[in-house]
Amino acid sequence: DVKVTQSSRYLVKRTGEKVFLECVQDMDHENMFWYRQDPGLGLRLIYFSYDVKMKEKGDIPEGYSVSREKKERFSLILESASTNQTSMYLCASRRSGGGYTFGSGTRLTVV
Amino acid sequence: GEDVEQSLFLSVREGDSSVINCTYTDSSSTYLYWYKQEPGAGLQLLTYIFSNMDMKQDQRLTVLLNKKDKHLSLRIADTQTGDSAIYFCAESRNDMRFGAGTRLTVKP
Repeated sequence: DVKVTQSSRYLVKRTGEKVFLECVQDMDHENMFWYRQDPGLGLRLIYFSYDVKMKEKGDIPEGYSVSREKKERFSLILESASTNQTSMYLCASRRSGGGYTFGSGTRLTVV
Repeated sequence: GEDVEQSLFLSVREGDSSVINCTYTDSSSTYLYWYKQEPGAGLQLLTYIFSNMDMKQDQRLTVLLNKKDKHLSLRIADTQTGDSAIYFCAESRNDMRFGAGTRLTVKP
């Protein structure tokens, strides 16, 4: 059963902390994506990657960075967490031209 | 403005049909998708339609695409309480653009 795995379902972090959200896929997909989901706003694209060591900004990259050192792993980094980054974070992957497979999400609370 | 628009809420009675509507802006979209999100879970692909089709049926699901009006709909026949979820419409170009999601509530 193919999978996108996000390392944590729930996280609570303090303002100013550096936060790492990890995502791993086992489908050998080229493309990986990070979205945040907020009520009434749907999914907004933060960053995506078309290949190893490649990254592209999405619609709301401010306050975030990403790392893709290996094909199967795409990490989202909050350099200095703020309360407005409290959200549900969803990782997805896809083979080029194919549909998306989503992880179960990480609900991050910044206090 | 929004690339993909959906109404936020829909409530139906068990056994009725549900119709969730979506409008999009990019006429070059090659695929249009419907995803379902159950509480506490990620998004699960329900169905998709290629942009040169106008209808696709899959068991209780019917997708209608009006490319001229850039309007997509998802009809769920004989809606069950297990269909209660948030439904996202999405269009695909190089990346995927999602609507805000329609929360479907099914009342017994």
